[in-house]
Amino acid sequence: AQSVTQPDIHITVSEGASLELRCNYSYGATPYLFWYVQSPGQGLQLLLKYFSGDTLVQGIKGFEAEFKRSQSSFNLRKPSVHWSDAAEYFCAVGAGGTSYGKLTFGQGTILTVHP
Amino acid sequence: SQTIHQWPATLVQPVGSPLSLECTVEGTSNPNLYWYRQAAGRGLQLLFYSVGIGQISSEVPQNLSASRPQDRQFILSSKKLLLSDSGFYLCAWNMAGELFFGEGSRLTVL
Repeated sequence: AQSVTQPDIHITVSEGASLELRCNYSYGATPYLFWYVQSPGQGLQLLLKYFSGDTLVQGIKGFEAEFKRSQSSFNLRKPSVHWSDAAEYFCAVGAGGTSYGKLTFGQGTILTVHP
Repeated sequence: SQTIHQWPATLVQPVGSPLSLECTVEGTSNPNLYWYRQAAGRGLQLLFYSVGIGQISSEVPQNLSASRPQDRQFILSSKKLLLSDSGFYLCAWNMAGELFFGEGSRLTVL
């Protein structure tokens, strides 16, 4: 069975500082990997996804993530955090084909940004 | 463009009462639709998915059921709510491997 671990429940950074959110997954085949962001009381918005190809993927809002197969990781990074980035971030793993949309999510990382 | 609507946005129900949450997608046809639940302090868990009218697959055993009476309508129901049914319910549809979520329905069972 597939699983996702986000080791950090809560991270606090200062505005302008760099950010890295960790994600480790367990999956038997080549995974489809996603990062979503959720503002309080809202639905989820896709930041970026990895299906194949270049292991460094660029997303919206200046985020990027790197797929490292040897470490089973898909960490999310941003070089300079803005106050509006405060939200909860979810890493997810899934399969392709007929299993599109059937994702396993991590428990989320809450990001607080200090001015 | 495609949009997804959920209602009601917020619901407070007593234990043992029925439930109906509705999800409607616009701007696409024959979408794959999903119900996810987000319990407090936890990630999202897939409850049901549907690839077409009348076709429902359940991912976890539970007190809830789902139906798809029309192509772009997906309903989550319960005959008798439990306290453990409280949570944030998200409907989503899938296009090219990417999930698009609705704004969610927050259910509190008292």
